[in-house]
Formats: sequence, C-alpha cells, structure tokens
Amino acid sequence: QSALTQPPSASGSPGQSVTISCTGTSGDVGGYNYVSWYQQHPGKAPKLMIYEVSKRPSGVPDRFSGSKSGNTASLTVSGLQAEDEADYYCSSYAGSNKNVFGTGTKVTVL
Amino acid sequence: EVQLVESGGGLVQPGGSLRLSCAASGFTFTSYWMTWVRQAPGKGLEWVANVKQDGSETHYVDSVKGRLTISRDNAKNSLYLQMNSLRAEDTAIYYCARHKAFYFDYWGQGTLVTVSS
Repeated sequence: QSALTQPPSASGSPGQSVTISCTGTSGDVGGYNYVSWYQQHPGKAPKLMIYEVSKRPSGVPDRFSGSKSGNTASLTVSGLQAEDEADYYCSSYAGSNKNVFGTGTKVTVL
Repeated sequence: EVQLVESGGGLVQPGGSLRLSCAASGFTFTSYWMTWVRQAPGKGLEWVANVKQDGSETHYVDSVKGRLTISRDNAKNSLYLQMNSLRAEDTAIYYCARHKAFYFDYWGQGTLVTVSS
C-alpha cells in the first residue's frame, strides 16, 4: 500500500494552466478507472474535485479536469485563479476494498 | 445538507487508547460505506479504514491492523474508531468521510489526536 507519487509543488500565473501528475501501479491507478482528486486549503478539510478519473461533482468549476494514461493520472487546472492555491491530493482504488492517496502537490498561484 | 462531525480527539500517552466518533446527518447513513482518513501534522492524507453499510465488512491499512477498529451504529447514525496501543506515529487529524462508490464525497472537519508522553 505505497502512496501514489505526486510532484511536491506546481505553480502558474493567474489565467495560466497547471497540470499535476499522479503515478501509481497496475494495482491501483492503472488497474481501475477510480481515480479521484481532492483540494485542501490550509486548516480545512479536503474537498472532492474530480471522481472516476474525469467526472466533476456539482459545483466544481469546469476549469478543473482529469485524465489518465496507463499508471499515471493527471489533474489540470485551467485559467488559474487565486483561490485555486491549495494542496491537491489524488486517490485511487487499490483493490480489496482499499484506497490509497497520493503524496500531495502544493499549487502556488504566482 | 450532509454533515459529518467528529469528536473524541485529544492528548494520549503512548500505549494508550482513545475512541473517536463521527455523527452523521443529512443523508441516509445506512446507504453508504464510511471511511476514516488521517493526516499527520504537515503531511499528506492517509486512508485508514472503511466499513460497509451494515458493519459486516471492514478493511484497514496495514499499519493500523490489530490496533485500530472501525465500527458503526446505524441506529445512532454514528461512525467510530477505537484506537488502542497508540504510537507517536498515530498523531494526526482524523477525518471521517462518506464513501461513495470508490471516492469520498463529504468530509468532516476532523479531530486531532496527539500521542505523546
């Protein structure tokens, strides 16, 4: 049950796009279309942003999009806004009714 | 409105025990798996355990097996985490979350557990 690998940080200027990767194995990310992404502001609880690789819950802006190729999933934030500055975590189903999270990426809006 | 409210955190000595609770409201509790996720200070999220709708099935991350026990009381719309033989590395904010399919769609605000002498 090793954590999924994410880059520690990513940044972009307002209006630009940033893409965060999430690398796992064939036993988690690569084996199931059950990758989700969470946004966490300092001192707050995580918030679901993307589920089942690319679906957005109601209320999440369409600036947030997800994709997957092989053992790597990605979250793209387009048209960066100041309020997008936060930590982002991926998560994947890992079989046997277990889940695993990514190591987390701090997104900075320059 | 879906609400999840954790309680029961605090300071405990290594080797001690603590019981966390999560009160759920605003949805049909018996229709969902429930999950505990924790976050050590300054660190990332870690999935800890989940429990099936009727409590008949539970699953744990390897590092807590035999020490932490997840359970639920559907009559009280409540989720629990019994924590025994606590270690310094169990220090974290513990979140309860509603488990929908293979993701977590609602989260509580968390409760802090500190294991220290």
